[in-house]
Amino acid sequence: SQQGEEDPQALSIQEGENATMNCSYKTSINNLQWYRQNSGRGLVHLILIRSNEREKHSGRLRVTLDTSKKSSSLLITASRAADTASYFCATDEGGSNYQLIWGAGTKLIIKP
Amino acid sequence: DTAVSQTPKYLVTQMGNDKSIKCEQNLGHDTMYWYKQDSKKFLKIMFSYNNKELIINETVPNRFSPKSPDKAHLNLHINSLELGDSAVYFCASSRGRGYTFGSGTRLTVV
Repeated sequence: SQQGEEDPQALSIQEGENATMNCSYKTSINNLQWYRQNSGRGLVHLILIRSNEREKHSGRLRVTLDTSKKSSSLLITASRAADTASYFCATDEGGSNYQLIWGAGTKLIIKP
Repeated sequence: DTAVSQTPKYLVTQMGNDKSIKCEQNLGHDTMYWYKQDSKKFLKIMFSYNNKELIINETVPNRFSPKSPDKAHLNLHINSLELGDSAVYFCASSRGRGYTFGSGTRLTVV
């Protein structure tokens, strides 16, 4: 399965700052998901946004979706040390929710 | 109360050996997956089972054989292990859209 693209590959910010990660994809989608992976752990589902939605919030997370640009962004506000992790986006652009297309991930480091 | 559990967590073995990784989910999900994550963190789907039926079988060597005895279990058997098989293998399950992942099995072939 082809990879989606995320940028930046790595992001290091001070605690309390906002972190923004981007994800781009190639074809049409029904939904896009964001996951977090702490070091040495499995991925944890954060949020899903449907193609007819433009923005979605969950706590300190804000996800936007621009289907005209085929891109999404994940904003984490007021970052905490515990937000240090890798963040992945995944889409169903393969045509099936059984075969998600995954981004390469953004490694986020929050400095205390 | 673990949702998706896989065992073992770590597996170190010699080239040429045969090994199995087990996965169980107690979420009542009807679809289960095996993913391989390489050293660069790329996630690659290997197999997907829906209600015990194989629905996705990506291009992986036929040394890898999944087995789903029931909807709650999807095991991965690997024959004749090679150095390149070293990676972290994740089991996941879903019902609908969001996936739930296990904590991974770090396989090291020496």
